Amino acid sequence: SQQGEEDPQALSIQEGENATMNCSYKTSINNLQWYRQNSGRGLVHLILIRSNEREKHSGRLRVTLDTSKKSSSLLITASRAADTASYFCATVSYSGAGSYQLTFGKGTKLSVIP
Amino acid sequence: DGGITQSPKYLFRKEGQNVTLSCEQNLNHDAMYWYRQDPGQGLRLIYYSQIVNDFQKGDIAEGYSVSREKKESFPLTVTSAQKNPTAFYLCASSTPPGPGLTIYFGEGSWLTVV
Repeated sequence: SQQGEEDPQALSIQEGENATMNCSYKTSINNLQWYRQNSGRGLVHLILIRSNEREKHSGRLRVTLDTSKKSSSLLITASRAADTASYFCATVSYSGAGSYQLTFGKGTKLSVIP
Repeated sequence: DGGITQSPKYLFRKEGQNVTLSCEQNLNHDAMYWYRQDPGQGLRLIYYSQIVNDFQKGDIAEGYSVSREKKESFPLTVTSAQKNPTAFYLCASSTPPGPGLTIYFGEGSWLTVV
């Protein structure tokens, strides 16, 4: 089952603009992660934010987490054509008996136009 | 280099045939996973294994089988019972279960039924 839901499903912007993608989830989480997938390739881990963190930066990436609203956003600043990819959020939640469940959203397809 | 190797990258299957997708990791991870991704869609969990000689069904296990005889290897067999096997298959492994659980992916295998 999928817990994370990304919004929008698709986003098209001009090179140099900022891109913002959102992820909403339903249950309490331990951490939330963002992944990138180039067409026909595997997913690449971008950034992890823990449930007790509110904001995290990595290069041109900025992730925020609002646990009260059960939502996260990924901001890519000064976008480049090479940022064109699908972006997925994934949540890690404790599922009992020492187990943790990782669930993915359906992704946002970002197109950056040169 | 540490990572996850999937083979083959492209595979064609005739109706009624079983095919096996290989997945090898040298990250020393106990947990491994198989996901299916249909074009433009998110990831759906087929099977996962938390430790050698143990595995559990995911959300869409019907028509698939796995084995976990070695820590490094988690092959997936797509059987003739899988009615619509044409898809992109992703193998992954993860860090130990815990609040910081992070998953790493291979480059994927394309399976086409001809």
